[in-house]
Amino acid sequence: DSGVTQTPKHLITATGQRVTLRCSPRSGDLSVYWYQQSLDQGLQFLIQYYNGEERAKGNILERFSAQQFPDLHSELNLSSLELGDSALYFCASSVPLDRVGSPLRGYTFGSGTRLTVV
Amino acid sequence: GDSVTQMEGPVTLSEEAFLTINCTYTATGYPSLFWYVQYPGEGLQLLLKATKADDKGSNKGFEATYRKETTSFHLEKGSVQVSDSAVYFCALSQGGSEKLVFGKGTKLTVNP
Repeated sequence: DSGVTQTPKHLITATGQRVTLRCSPRSGDLSVYWYQQSLDQGLQFLIQYYNGEERAKGNILERFSAQQFPDLHSELNLSSLELGDSALYFCASSVPLDRVGSPLRGYTFGSGTRLTVV
Repeated sequence: GDSVTQMEGPVTLSEEAFLTINCTYTATGYPSLFWYVQYPGEGLQLLLKATKADDKGSNKGFEATYRKETTSFHLEKGSVQVSDSAVYFCALSQGGSEKLVFGKGTKLTVNP
């Protein structure tokens, strides 16, 4: 168990639908990152939150949105789903790399949510 | 923008063979460099890292040296085991943003 919890593990839904993926970061980590892993695009950074605020944005579609709540868990909302959105969605959490005593682990990834759009 | 290029896979080796997976990067400034490993059905795990030029990251018998002059961070292991079979990702991050930019991954299969 990495300490980062993602739910659900698997999700099958139809085109046009909306889903919400949930991530609970490792205890003490303030940053949450969302990544999409697909066969053709590899691992793509979607968005980062730090202590409730959006900090960085990557290749995230307008149909997708995210937020981080006061308890630091995060949700990724995917709407108007298309077949091409089928992928593994990973959440990761981290402490800053330059923090004194920062462990080797750096970023800790969850085991992912496999989304299948049919 | 920043990018990471790693050798195409898959790579198939026999147990106890020497492993090299090449990784080069393009980035402004001085990024931190990482190797992550993904075992089947699992998330990514940090394998090793290096945060400045000439640093050598090492863990579990794997090593990689941050070479600024060649913008490379090649992963090596002297003697692979069947349990090393996984997908390996090279990645970089710039200190300010902390987000990771990944290579496409290299699948390694080690046969007994």
